[in-house]
Amino acid sequence: ILNVEQSPQSLHVQEGDSTNFTCSFPSSNFYALHWYRWETAKSPEALFVMTLNGDEKKKGRISATLNTKEGYSYLYIKGSQPEDSATYLCASSKAAGNKLTFGGGTRVLVKP
Amino acid sequence: DGGITQSPKYLFRKEGQNVTLSCEQNLNHDAMYWYRQDPGQGLRLIYYSQIVNDFQKGDIAEGYSVSREKKESFPLTVTSAQKNPTAFYLCASSGGPPTGAGYGYTFGSGTRLTVV
Repeated sequence: ILNVEQSPQSLHVQEGDSTNFTCSFPSSNFYALHWYRWETAKSPEALFVMTLNGDEKKKGRISATLNTKEGYSYLYIKGSQPEDSATYLCASSKAAGNKLTFGGGTRVLVKP
Repeated sequence: DGGITQSPKYLFRKEGQNVTLSCEQNLNHDAMYWYRQDPGQGLRLIYYSQIVNDFQKGDIAEGYSVSREKKESFPLTVTSAQKNPTAFYLCASSGGPPTGAGYGYTFGSGTRLTVV
């Protein structure tokens, strides 16, 4: 994988349901994987920064896992709420610095 | 409160004109970045600066220029050489003590540039 890719591009979730989506990134020269939440009309907000294979991070109902050997990360939302509606961006950086390459994002819409 | 300020929020430019987008941060961050977003696409890196008086081209630098004379400021000039400047522009910074999300970026609120 040469670029950072996210799937699906968008998904609709019923309120109360759990969901997850994927970020794939180049596994060579990997340094860190970032997740951001970007709500409409707001600035992207950092959720997690992960560096180690097997890392798991959690913030409230949102959690993320990292597999650096195969080059993927999952983001999970447990018991989705309407306020979770946002675009979720992932980005990876190489060992040379903190310059991030972003994926296209997964747009999540939680329906009441 | 510390943060990043981008101005203006909306900007209209006539074809053939240069225009400068402002980005100011009071977070004492060393590194600053400019990204561009087009409909249906991810953020693409235009320029970045890891220290004052130094900057590097990103993936789509053609038609843009930057300066980093002060740590707090990283203005982006969209020149007339940029073929398709209509887009949403985001500025970000990183560095300093880690937050709950590690050394994640702090983003501004963006500038939407439209060429008329």
